[in-house]
Amino acid sequence: GAVVSQHPSWVICKSGTSVKIECRSLDFQATTMFWYRQFPKQSLMLMATSNEGSKATYEQGVEKDKFLINHASLTLSTLTVTSAHPEDSSFYICSATQGEPDTYEQYFGPGTRLTVT
Amino acid sequence: GQNIDQPTEMTATEGAIVQINCTYQTSGFNGLFWYQQHAGEAPTFLSYNVLDGLEEKGRFSSFLSRSKGYSYLLLKELQMKDSASYLCAVLDSNYQLIWGAGTKLIIKP
Repeated sequence: GAVVSQHPSWVICKSGTSVKIECRSLDFQATTMFWYRQFPKQSLMLMATSNEGSKATYEQGVEKDKFLINHASLTLSTLTVTSAHPEDSSFYICSATQGEPDTYEQYFGPGTRLTVT
Repeated sequence: GQNIDQPTEMTATEGAIVQINCTYQTSGFNGLFWYQQHAGEAPTFLSYNVLDGLEEKGRFSSFLSRSKGYSYLLLKELQMKDSASYLCAVLDSNYQLIWGAGTKLIIKP
């Protein structure tokens, strides 16, 4: 159990366009979802935390107007990279926690590799 | 500030044992996680420690000392597939996960 999916698994887009990444909890209701970014050979960097039905909490230095997060239901969160630029090319990973009893273990999606040309 | 330290890279031999250390200084403590991440893939959960002591799970064990702000992940009978990055993460007083930079483990035949 506790499976998280992401779509797409990889995407190539042109500079200036927007890209939407979906994160779904397949067999549980996710009380909280997290979005991470990871550049090559670096550790995970938390971008934002979102709870269903409320605005996401962004980490310092992450532009909320550029990285739009929508957590519309207990099983779906989306990250939209608006006006993408080559420096946004990265590995984007979502995770989710399912509440009691495994309140704080984060279940990770497989990640989405974004390349902006 | 909050800080988690772990070695950047370690090398070990197939069949041997390796210990990956993690020290932390965080605002509060609600548990420590170890995750494994293969290159190009998302992290997968290995262990969770909230009480002092050793937790054993097959070839992998994780130890915690809260008074010392210290944990280690012990991998026995190393296999080539264990080559990966190992991430230490601490749940702080706000139940936010603070991540270490990860330890890249290289297994040699």
